[in-house]
Amino acid sequence: DTEVTQTPKHLVMGMTNKKSLKCEQHMGHRAMYWYKQKAKKPPELMFVYSYEKLSINESVPSRFSPECPNSSLLNLHLHALQPEDSALYLCASSQLRIHTDTQYFGPGTRLTVL
Amino acid sequence: TQLLEQSPQFLSIQEGENLTVYCNSSSVFSSLQWYRQEPGEGPVLLVTVVTGGEVKKLKRLTFQFGDARKDSSLHITAAQTGDTGLYLCAGGPGSARQLTFGSGTQLTVLP
Repeated sequence: DTEVTQTPKHLVMGMTNKKSLKCEQHMGHRAMYWYKQKAKKPPELMFVYSYEKLSINESVPSRFSPECPNSSLLNLHLHALQPEDSALYLCASSQLRIHTDTQYFGPGTRLTVL
Repeated sequence: TQLLEQSPQFLSIQEGENLTVYCNSSSVFSSLQWYRQEPGEGPVLLVTVVTGGEVKKLKRLTFQFGDARKDSSLHITAAQTGDTGLYLCAGGPGSARQLTFGSGTQLTVLP
């Protein structure tokens, strides 16, 4: 089983709203990732959690706040977003192997900020 | 900083034709993944190649990793409309387990 699940599938929010994106994997992977992707562009890394600890923050604005409650769950809390934050948000996970660390992606959350 | 150049950026072909997508870098990668992504969906892993010179086949798709592990290619034989999508190559792991993505190839297969 190489499934990563994400909820919700679609989200529309105003600039003053607070919402959360959720991601779950049951593959025993020790790393989880958040990416932002604009149409027909490659994913851009936002955050990496290794062993439930934040290991990489790619200079993401503080209106995006990640959380890793346990090894299977990853959340992305959203607050005071801007219209330019509208994008497909992808979660991924990997085993953290040294040389062949394949990332498996979820289906994404399509976020629209009005 | 590791970079992956992917070409072509756009490709539109007729059903039944063959095509090749290239992924090139001046850096060595420990492994390279190929993904296919449909609009509004997440990237789906097609293959991981790890050994220089390795060739892997997945039905009509043939993947090759260069001998020096700096480049890779994806060849599709007799393309079908269902092959339409965004193809992404990604090299890794780089520092701190980050993937380096190519810019993507948007493939459209016309009936």
